[in-house]
Amino acid sequence: QKEVEQNSGPLSVPEGAIASLNCTYSDRGSQSFFWYRQYSGKSPELIMSIYSNGDKEDGRFTAQLNKASQYVSLLIRDSQPSDSATYLCAVNMGDSSYKLIFGSGTRLLVRP
Amino acid sequence: SAVISQKPSRDICQRGTSLTIQCQVDSQVTMMFWYRQQPGQSLTLIATANQGSEATYESGFVIDKFPISRPNLTFSTLTVSNMSPEDSSIYLCSVGPGNEQFFGPGTRLTVL
Repeated sequence: QKEVEQNSGPLSVPEGAIASLNCTYSDRGSQSFFWYRQYSGKSPELIMSIYSNGDKEDGRFTAQLNKASQYVSLLIRDSQPSDSATYLCAVNMGDSSYKLIFGSGTRLLVRP
Repeated sequence: SAVISQKPSRDICQRGTSLTIQCQVDSQVTMMFWYRQQPGQSLTLIATANQGSEATYESGFVIDKFPISRPNLTFSTLTVSNMSPEDSSIYLCSVGPGNEQFFGPGTRLTVL
């Protein structure tokens, strides 16, 4: 059974702090990794994708991938109350189908 | 990215009935998927909607319960058949040119 694990949270951080969200996955064949943000009552929004080991930065967001440790993380710098949402980690199934497995999500609360 | 719409946005249905959900994209897309998000849960892939052929279902989902059509590269339908209260969920379509998937706004279904 291929799995993606996330701490459900909530992760509470003060405004302006760095929020660190973590994700582990079971399938060593996975090659594509994604972070989605989901506000309450809304559909998931893709915010980051990462395919190679190391860091990928986009604005206040940095995705980190370590395939040897089967670990993906998302850092949010200068956290804002508008960043309060559930963050879903998604991993492709390690085949050629483009199908994704989602983690259960981490709820982030940014305190003003 | 593509603009994705779903109809209906929400519905309340009686048990034993069926509901067909439509997903429309404003451009041709190769990949189209249907997901379910049960209350407080993450996303579970129901099936891959294949253009011109039968959908590919994930373990635990069957065609008799969730028939899917995909007549062209911009449109797909998911039917939830013979509904029970356990089918109360948000149903989402997603599209992708490949690895990255983008979600429609979702259909919130309540079965009484």
